[in-house]
Amino acid sequence: QQPVQSPQAVILREGEDAVINCSSSKALYSVHWYRQKHGEAPVFLMILLKGGEQKGHEKISASFNEKKQQSSLYLTASQLSYSGTYFCGTDSNQGGKLIFGQGTELSVKP
Amino acid sequence: KAGVTQTPRYLIKTRGQQVTLSCSPISGHRSVSWYQQTPGQGLQFLFEYFSETQRNKGNFPGRFSGRQFSNSRSEMNVSTLELGDSALYLCASSSVRPGGHSYGYTFGSGTRLTVV
Repeated sequence: QQPVQSPQAVILREGEDAVINCSSSKALYSVHWYRQKHGEAPVFLMILLKGGEQKGHEKISASFNEKKQQSSLYLTASQLSYSGTYFCGTDSNQGGKLIFGQGTELSVKP
Repeated sequence: KAGVTQTPRYLIKTRGQQVTLSCSPISGHRSVSWYQQTPGQGLQFLFEYFSETQRNKGNFPGRFSGRQFSNSRSEMNVSTLELGDSALYLCASSSVRPGGHSYGYTFGSGTRLTVV
């Protein structure tokens, strides 16, 4: 089952914050987050393992609620370079099968 | 360290033909996954190979197949091409935890396949 991301699209001004949510109907081992810019390959941002941990990458961080099978990606003080499509990928207990959500298109304007 | 290399970058094929795409993973990565990306469907999982074995398969017809060689390089083949197979095909490689799960995938730039 494909995870569901929300919102589908968001427009920000530089310096504003955003949250992207990812929800799955299946028990998860881990959640991955990737960013894809137009015409480029997806780039790995971070991975969260079951256990409710929160990880950070500069001003981008994420949380994972294992019981709710949900993850959220937090972008603070957004920069123009944050523009792109963000995908969450969910890895159930199967190992090696990463299923992606439909993506959230983020646009950061000056 | 070299990234994931996919060849060719672009392909134009006629309906009914077959095509083979190639992927060279990052050195040391034994897991290779393939995805189909289209504007309407997003990133769809095709299959995943680990140590020359197909571990996981997505919901694609049998026309889509793949294999992995002993050096972890992978190929995917699509036979009897249809117009709907036009897409960007992405390969991703990963090192694997002891339990078989990924540390995170590195994607190649993809092969853009156009079927006419």
